[in-house]
Amino acid sequence: KQEVTQIPAALSVPEGENLVLNCSFTDSAIYNLQWFRQDPGKGLTSLLLIQSSQREQTSGRLNASLDKSSGRSTLYIAASQPGDSATYLCAVRHNAGNMLTFGGGTRLMVKP
Amino acid sequence: GAVVSQHPSRVICKSGTSVKIECRSLDFQATTMFWYRQFPKQSLMLMATSNEGSKATYEQGVEKDKFLINHASLTLSTLTVTSAHPEDSSFYICSARLAGGRYTQYFGPGTRLTVL
Repeated sequence: KQEVTQIPAALSVPEGENLVLNCSFTDSAIYNLQWFRQDPGKGLTSLLLIQSSQREQTSGRLNASLDKSSGRSTLYIAASQPGDSATYLCAVRHNAGNMLTFGGGTRLMVKP
Repeated sequence: GAVVSQHPSRVICKSGTSVKIECRSLDFQATTMFWYRQFPKQSLMLMATSNEGSKATYEQGVEKDKFLINHASLTLSTLTVTSAHPEDSSFYICSARLAGGRYTQYFGPGTRLTVL
């Protein structure tokens, strides 16, 4: 059974810092990995999707990397802003089916 | 991008009543829709997967008679929480996958259910 773990569970940083969120998964047979943002009481916004054959994806100040063999992904946020405060979730999709397995999330607070 | 809506966004009901939550894909057809629930400060847990025109597949531990899912069209799926109890209070999120597309899921904004 696939297990997805995110570290740290919570993170508080001053504005302007570069930061890294970590995601690890136990079964490397994944189809793709996706990073989401969730604001309190809201749904999910997809940030980046990395196919299993890819190593990284970039969107603006966000960069996500994938090391499938070691079961790890990182989300790098450059020059963090208070508006980046949210919960960040990573999720992996299995080869065999439709199911997304989510990590527990990292709650990020960027202080002005 | 593809948009998924949910209605209502928030519902408060008395214990014992049934509540229906709608999930719509607004600008695309979704052969597969997913229902998740999320408890406070926890991650999303998949409840069931539904394919248009067929019965939903429920995850282990999810009561299919309590959480009725209907996926009658390519743009609409409904989740009915029957005889709701306070422990059913949660955030319910639906997701839709583009028909014939890559494995990309689009998520709705969620429905906050509070059972008194």
